[in-house]
Amino acid sequence: GAGVSQSPRYKVAKRGQDVALRCDPISGHVSLFWYQQALGQGPEFLTYFQNEAQLDKSGLPSDRFFAERPEGSVSTLKIQRTQQEDSAVYLCASSSKAGGLYEQYFGPGTRLTVT
Amino acid sequence: QKEVEQNSGPLSVPEGAIASLNCTYSDRVSQSFFWYRQYSGKSPELIMSIYSNGDKEDGRFTAQLNKASQYVSLLIRDSQPSDSATYLCAVNIGGGGADGLTFGKGTHLIIQP
Repeated sequence: GAGVSQSPRYKVAKRGQDVALRCDPISGHVSLFWYQQALGQGPEFLTYFQNEAQLDKSGLPSDRFFAERPEGSVSTLKIQRTQQEDSAVYLCASSSKAGGLYEQYFGPGTRLTVT
Repeated sequence: QKEVEQNSGPLSVPEGAIASLNCTYSDRVSQSFFWYRQYSGKSPELIMSIYSNGDKEDGRFTAQLNKASQYVSLLIRDSQPSDSATYLCAVNIGGGGADGLTFGKGTHLIIQP
């Protein structure tokens, strides 16, 4: 079946621009996670949704980062006034069960480059 | 501060041998443990999950968990060149608030033909 999809796959933004990254989870998956992966590092947790509810946003690095999942399926991660340190791969993962204890499946990621 | 530690490598193993990847974690109450494989330029791919002490086998892969020692490992038998990748250990403590996974930096594995 279809896996997690993300768009765009690549995004180049000038410093100060706003960007929106989209994640389409596996159909029926209740849990959705966003991670940020810098070069040579493991992914770092940003935020978690259970259906449409954002239950954990402890990993969002600043108030420039905002995520939503209004209908409990597709999610958007928005970064306002992008900075160079925001350059990274943004990964979305979904899970069929509620909570973070269970297997998560990743999408292909969006590589963001801020110039 | 939750931490997951892995030797970054590279770990070089001859084709056909057993590759052994190790991971330690700091949080005693961690409940679920995962190994992901990540090829260069690709996203992490789940290869094993383990929740209880002991061994779990799936094909050529065996995950081993020792909660008392806060240690989890991955063995790859009959290593193939296609196993060359970065292996990420990930841990989740669960509990209220639905935490995400905490990842190590990964071990770069090279299988030598």
